[in-house]
Amino acid sequence: NAGVMQNPRHLVRRRGQEARLRCSPMKGHSHVYWYRQLPEEGLKFMVYLQKENIIDESGMPKERFSAEFPKEGPSILRIQQVVRGDSAAYFCASSRADQIVEQYFGPGTRLTVT
Amino acid sequence: AQSVAQPEDQVNVAEGNPLTVKCTYSVSGNPYLFWYVQYPNRGLQFLLKYITGDNLVKGSYGFEAEFNKSQTSFHLKKPSALVSDSALYFCAVRDRFKTIFGAGTRLFVKA
Repeated sequence: NAGVMQNPRHLVRRRGQEARLRCSPMKGHSHVYWYRQLPEEGLKFMVYLQKENIIDESGMPKERFSAEFPKEGPSILRIQQVVRGDSAAYFCASSRADQIVEQYFGPGTRLTVT
Repeated sequence: AQSVAQPEDQVNVAEGNPLTVKCTYSVSGNPYLFWYVQYPNRGLQFLLKYITGDNLVKGSYGFEAEFNKSQTSFHLKKPSALVSDSALYFCAVRDRFKTIFGAGTRLFVKA
């Protein structure tokens, strides 16, 4: 059973470009969570999604950031018009609907904005 | 709101000596506590968790943690440190669907 997959693992964008980060949850998992880790800091919750629904986005910046988890395909975290401060590692986790305590983390995507 | 604190930014220990990485928590209700390890430029690896049951929890790579309700602590321990244990360690607590992470403690094990 493959774990949580994230791609790309490394992403370099110039200021003003868009970044798209993808997360494929573990098989049988319908809940996805995104976290951001700024350099030398712990992870911070961004958003919690179920299929086709955003459940909680209290940790998402108000502008430029959006997330979706369509009925088919991976969850996408989208950052428009990236700035240097967006440089971070973005981690995705997934869980089953009946076991949200058990969250499994992916390897992360390291975004570098130049 | 749930929170965890890791009072030490860095812990240094000699190889073969016991190690402790400290964590205290503040929760309402029963805590769901976790330890994760992160190696340089890598993802998070799950070490162990406390949900309920025995206060001493055994995890991966020889690590264990002791849940202490009266002291609201969940310290990570290992009887004999290895150089390869050098990494960044995060204590975490589950707040409904969110995982709340501590700031992390960097462990250096010297040969």
